[in-house]
Amino acid sequence: ELKVEQNPLFLSMQEGKNYTIYCNYSTTSDRLYWYRQDPGKSLESLFVLLSNGAVKQEGRLMASLDTKARLSTLHITAAVHDLSATYFCAVRGYDPSGTYKYIFGTGTRLKVLA
Amino acid sequence: AAGVIQSPRHLIKEKRETATLKCYPIPRHDTVYWYQQGPGQDPQFLISFYEKMQSDKGSIPDRFSAQQFSDYHSELNMSSLELGDSALYFCASSESGRMQNEQFFGPGTRLTVL
Repeated sequence: ELKVEQNPLFLSMQEGKNYTIYCNYSTTSDRLYWYRQDPGKSLESLFVLLSNGAVKQEGRLMASLDTKARLSTLHITAAVHDLSATYFCAVRGYDPSGTYKYIFGTGTRLKVLA
Repeated sequence: AAGVIQSPRHLIKEKRETATLKCYPIPRHDTVYWYQQGPGQDPQFLISFYEKMQSDKGSIPDRFSAQQFSDYHSELNMSSLELGDSALYFCASSESGRMQNEQFFGPGTRLTVL
């Protein structure tokens, strides 16, 4: 069964601090996504990672992918209040039913305190 | 820049009624994805289309059907609505071969089944 696990589920951090969100997935996947979602809003694409060792950075966010460990990380550097949101990782994996599907993690609700 | 358009933005239906959600992808995008997100839950992938053909299939109930038309817009048809179908329905689009299939999400349709 395709599974994507994120941790932590909730994260409260002080402004200026660093932290990492982890995303583990249970099957081989040809792509991994990171999204941001504000309450009641749509999803905003942050990163798409395709290959082992891929690293992408945008502002205070950096994502990496280790396909051998089936692990992706989203690192937050010097957090600011505007980063408060829910962050989802998602993978595209092959399902035994014979099709590919996209599976999301449970999300990490980040709150940055001033 | 043009974004994904979804209509209607809000829809209220009674149990056992039918509903049709529409999605207009970003110009030149040839792939459309449908997701369902219940309150406080992660998005669930329903189905996707590439060049008017179904490409990947997720947890789409048999009561639902979808298609992509020649102008690349897509419609999600939902019949025999149940209370549990109340959710946010997102459509996303991507351009195959570009930007690593980065998915751009629409604002969503909030469906309420009474």
